[in-house]
Amino acid sequence: GESVGLHLPTLSVQEGDNSIINCAYSNSASDYFIWYKQESGKGPQFIIDIRSNMDKRQGQRVTVLLNKTVKHLSLQIAATQPGDSAVYFCAENSLTYFGNEKLTFGTGTRLTIIP
Amino acid sequence: NAGVTQTPKFQVLKTGQSMTLQCAQDMNHNSMYWYRQDPGMGLRLIYYSASEGTTDKGEVPNGYNVSRLNKREFSLRLESAAPSQTSVYFCASTKGASSTEAFFGQGTRLTVV
Repeated sequence: GESVGLHLPTLSVQEGDNSIINCAYSNSASDYFIWYKQESGKGPQFIIDIRSNMDKRQGQRVTVLLNKTVKHLSLQIAATQPGDSAVYFCAENSLTYFGNEKLTFGTGTRLTIIP
Repeated sequence: NAGVTQTPKFQVLKTGQSMTLQCAQDMNHNSMYWYRQDPGMGLRLIYYSASEGTTDKGEVPNGYNVSRLNKREFSLRLESAAPSQTSVYFCASTKGASSTEAFFGQGTRLTVV
């Protein structure tokens, strides 16, 4: 069945270092893969997405890599800051049999930035 | 521009009671979603609505019903609450048509005793 899962539940990174958060997926038919950030007590917020026909996409201090061969997605955050501490979710946007979009999420990785 | 508004923010129910969680968005979005988030877990999709007048089951629909009242509003109903439904519930919306940016409400923390 479909699933979007993460390799590691927690990650601690020194402030200023780069961090890499990984995600495995199984639904090869997804159109988009997306990363969300969730701060404590809040709803998730969109960070960046990547279309399934791309390998890499860059944003401000973030890069998402998609490896379709091994069905792996990663989020790289450069020069981490205390405000990057949060739970990060990968998600996939896929079409159902009836052509409706469906957005499903993985388990999440808690990123802690050490001052 | 309020975005996605959920009510209530907190609720305690007794087992067997019913209630409706309300969600409204003012962004003219087509698609709306209900998720639940349990401790240490991701967001699991309960129901979603790709457009006004349509609803579909997600990963964990049992024990819930939904209504897409109009384009703005998407409500989630628990007919007979159970302790297993204790969770934080999030409503979200997207433009639809391959729009990947979902906007979330602040969540409803529901406890069933």
